[in-house]
Amino acid sequence: EDQVTQSPEALRLQEGESSSLNCSYTVSGLRGLFWYRQDPGKGPEFLFTLYSAGEEKEKERLKATLTKKESFLHITAPKPEDSATYLCAVHPRGGFQKLVFGTGTRLLVSP
Amino acid sequence: EAGVAQSPRYKIIEKRQSVAFWCNPISGHATLYWYQQILGQGPKLLIQFQNNGVVDDSQLPKDRFSAERLKGVDSTLKIQPAKLEDSAVYLCASSLDGQENQPQHFGDGTRLSIL
Repeated sequence: EDQVTQSPEALRLQEGESSSLNCSYTVSGLRGLFWYRQDPGKGPEFLFTLYSAGEEKEKERLKATLTKKESFLHITAPKPEDSATYLCAVHPRGGFQKLVFGTGTRLLVSP
Repeated sequence: EAGVAQSPRYKIIEKRQSVAFWCNPISGHATLYWYQQILGQGPKLLIQFQNNGVVDDSQLPKDRFSAERLKGVDSTLKIQPAKLEDSAVYLCASSLDGQENQPQHFGDGTRLSIL
């Protein structure tokens, strides 16, 4: 069974304090791994897609990396506006895209 | 580009009543998804349409949930009768083509509370 585990469940950082979020996955062949950001009362907002081990993608203060068993979302010098829940999802190999989501990491950045 | 539109934003009903949600995907997106997100969990796929055909409804509780996508554009999701455990946010998403590795874009969801 395809599974995604995210850690930690919650993370509190001071503004400027860098850290990483983890996404471990067990999947029957990986076609893609997706990172989303979700603000309270909103739908998930797409951040990155990673396709193969060793791949990295960056956007502003965020950098996502991928290995054969896990992905990391690195947050460099975070700001309060980075506070959100970050969701990881995998697309197992197969026909149509069917995302399996983790439970997310709730990030709070204090000024 | 307009995003995925959903209505209503909130709905409160009593158990055993029925409810319907509406979704208008991004223009030109062939694939439409309905997800259920229970508080504190990630979204769980209920049903996926490619144009107006169902390609995956394996996790849809078909005894009470139904969905349709007439003309391959708008979609409605219905629950009849509702149970207490159906309290959740119902998210609609769309993508250009579900067979490619393109990102899904989500609406802001309908928050359903069952009394």
